[in-house]
Formats: sequence, C-alpha cells, structure tokens
Amino acid sequence: ETGVTQSPTHLIKTRGQQVTLRCSSQSGHNTVSWYQQALGQGPQFIFQYYREEENGRGNFPPRFSGLQFPNYSSELNVNALELDDSALYLCASSLREGGYTQYFGPGTRLTVL
Amino acid sequence: EDQVTQSPEALRLQEGESSSLNCSYTVSGLRGLFWYRQDPGKGPEFLFTLYSAGEEKEKERLKATLTKKESFLHITAPKPEDSATYLCAVQGSGDEKTSGSRLTFGEGTQLTVNP
Repeated sequence: ETGVTQSPTHLIKTRGQQVTLRCSSQSGHNTVSWYQQALGQGPQFIFQYYREEENGRGNFPPRFSGLQFPNYSSELNVNALELDDSALYLCASSLREGGYTQYFGPGTRLTVL
Repeated sequence: EDQVTQSPEALRLQEGESSSLNCSYTVSGLRGLFWYRQDPGKGPEFLFTLYSAGEEKEKERLKATLTKKESFLHITAPKPEDSATYLCAVQGSGDEKTSGSRLTFGEGTQLTVNP
C-alpha cells in the first residue's frame, strides 16, 4: 500500500507568478484535502475534492483552485502569488466511506520572493 | 465555527519524565478528534482517532483520551525520539457540501525530550 506523495518537494517562485502542486492519494482513497501551513502554525484547510468535485472550501481567495482526476490524484493551483503564500502545502487523502481519518503527504515547501 | 486550543505551546521534558498535552475544543457535532505528530519540515503523521467521550487509545508510550470538551495526549517515560510537534484536530458534522470533512487544527505543542 503506497502512501500519499507530493511533488515537488520544494519550489521557489516570485510574486505574481503561478504555481501548480501535485498530490497522489493513498491507494484506495477517494477524497483529497489541501491545507496550508505557515511556519509555527497549525494547518489551515484550503479545500477538499471528492470524486472529482469540490466538496468544501476554507477561507481562501479564488486564486487558489484545484482539480481531482479520475485516479483520485489532485492538483492545487495558485495564481498571482503573494509573499504571504510562502508556506508548507499539505495534501491529505481519505476514504469517505471508511471513516474520517486523513493521511498526509510530506508536503511541498513554497517560497515566494 | 470549530475551534481547537492546545496547551502548552512548548514543553521540555527529561527522558523518562511523563507528562500530558492538552487539547480543548468546541465543535458542532464531533465526528472525530485526531492526534498527529509532525517533525520539522515534514507532513503530519497520524497517531489516533477518537470518536466519543470516554474513548481511549494507546500506542507505545502514547495514550490519548477524550472528554466532551477536551482531549489529552499522555506521554509515559518519553525518549528523545518522541521530540516533535503534536497537533490536535477536530472534524465536525457541519454542512458537508460547503465545509466538507475538513479538519480544524490547533497550533500544536512542541515537545522536546532531553537525554
């Protein structure tokens, strides 16, 4: 059983650019959630995808968008990057019909200069 | 709105010195309370899920307990390798369509165990 994987590991962008982060969910899972974690803080919920549809969104602007693919992998896209977008971006997968536990990937560290 | 408060923010223990971490929460209909361990620069590692008051779960030197307002993570005879940030999160039974099965996290307790 493979766990949650994310790519890339690290990314450096400049303000105003766009970025795409990728996540492969754990085998057998159909739900993917994305979180943003600033240094020294707990993760903040961005949005969730279930069977390729957005299923809940946190307090993030529309320039944060996502996709889920038929194989349940997912992308997080951020447009018009701002300095405050610098953070660890975490992807978590779960099986909606199998309880509520979410399993996290290693994260992508995004630095915006 | 679901809220989670963890205390203390940081905790230093000597190897073998047992202690507890606290997680106070308010949630509209608790679906689950979750404990994770996070090492610096890594993703959170799942430890426990608790579903109802009175439930307890154990794993090696860790034991998690749950009441209607708070959860405790008890660490018995900790070792230096237990040093990490411990995160508590809740999931409420809010509007599934708008909020999904989101986790609301606390800020974490940074635990350091000295040899």
